Amino acid sequence: DARVTQTPRHKVTEMGQEVTMRCQPILGHNTVFWYRQTMMQGLELLAYFRNRAPLDDSGMPKDRFSAEMPDATLATLKIQPSEPRDSAVYFCASGLVGAGGTEAFFGQGTRLTVV
Amino acid sequence: QQQVKQSPQSLIVQKGGIPIINCAYENTAFDYFPWYQQFPGKGPALLIAIRPDVSEKKEGRFTISFNKSAKQFSLHIMDSQPGDSATYFCAASMADDMRFGAGTRLTVKP
Repeated sequence: DARVTQTPRHKVTEMGQEVTMRCQPILGHNTVFWYRQTMMQGLELLAYFRNRAPLDDSGMPKDRFSAEMPDATLATLKIQPSEPRDSAVYFCASGLVGAGGTEAFFGQGTRLTVV
Repeated sequence: QQQVKQSPQSLIVQKGGIPIINCAYENTAFDYFPWYQQFPGKGPALLIAIRPDVSEKKEGRFTISFNKSAKQFSLHIMDSQPGDSATYFCAASMADDMRFGAGTRLTVKP
């Protein structure tokens, strides 16, 4: 049963601390997305990768957020230093680029609370 | 700039009713339009999708209507059930990008 796996599912941290969220995309998928979901903003695209290369991270606050894919089985999203306004659910999605559009599959999300 | 606009924000229908959720997009480069269903505490799950070369797609009780000239598409849920209560997101996708609407919280009352 192929699925996107995200860890941790929940994270509570103090303001100023570093937070790392991990994502294992579905094997064989060549595109990975990071989204942030809040009640106010809905689903916001933060960054995406194709074949492990970052294609667009314009949705991320560059001063504190960073996203990487050290290998094809792992994508990470790091926040340093974290702030209370970063509290949200962070979703990773992976997909396979086909002839027109990308069908993406989401993980269960990481619920981040910064206090 | 919101690339996909979705309405309404919330919707309440009686069991058996036909809720309709509408989306509009700006960028004509989008060429794949999926709908996602999200239950509380879960990630969005792909429900149904359409490509712009067809005007309608039906899967079970879910139907997408697509109007390419107007750059609009909508989701219809036939014979809605309380189990359909969830948040629905439309999306517009191209090869390296996928943008979501703001979501519609649907409640189907018994």
